[in-house]
Amino acid sequence: QVQLVQSGAEVKKPGASVKVSCKASGYTFTDYYIHWVRQAPGQGLEWMGRINPKSGGTDSAQRFQGRVTMTRDTSISTASMELHSLKSDDTAVYYCARDLTYCGSRNCYGRWFDSWGQGTLVSVSS
Amino acid sequence: DIQMTQSPSSLSASVGDRVTIACRASQDISNSVAWYQQSPGKPPRLLLYAASTLESGVPSRFTGSGSGTDYTLTISGLQSDDFATYYCQQYFSTPPYSFGQGTKVEIK
Repeated sequence: QVQLVQSGAEVKKPGASVKVSCKASGYTFTDYYIHWVRQAPGQGLEWMGRINPKSGGTDSAQRFQGRVTMTRDTSISTASMELHSLKSDDTAVYYCARDLTYCGSRNCYGRWFDSWGQGTLVSVSS
Repeated sequence: DIQMTQSPSSLSASVGDRVTIACRASQDISNSVAWYQQSPGKPPRLLLYAASTLESGVPSRFTGSGSGTDYTLTISGLQSDDFATYYCQQYFSTPPYSFGQGTKVEIK
């Protein structure tokens, strides 16, 4: 069965970086985009960015551009998200999720997120 | 960017009730909307996509409808497992993907 298993909780100080990993199993890793979505305590879902595991190409939400790095290692079917220059309001649960984005000759067309990781709590505090 | 506005933000209901949650997009999204359920401490779970297509394994009491900018999620015959928070999401124009603010369904 499809599984996305994330790395464990992290505690970081302001200004530091955090790296969260997401190991995929049960499907062909390069067939699905991996997305990163975060949820601050008591708040809603916020899309951060996505990576195409086949090409390594990434897109990120404007507010995270320059502060987020998304990578993948196809040899171990794992995607990672690194967030830099952490602030206290980056405290959140970070999820990975997959979707079957379809790319034509000119554009790519996103889809729904049909499988999610269990979430990784990142706490930022001095 | 497309904004998704959900209503209400919360509602109280009893087991067996029929509840409806609305989601309005800032522009026509051509049925490119998904609905998710999230229980406390759990990741979101996909319920429906393409506005009205039920994900495999999801009970038929969950239905979706709508077109253009306006979409609804209806739960017919609320069960105890259904007390959770629900989110809509558009994937018509991406990136970015956008979610509604969420609707918390609580026990009356």
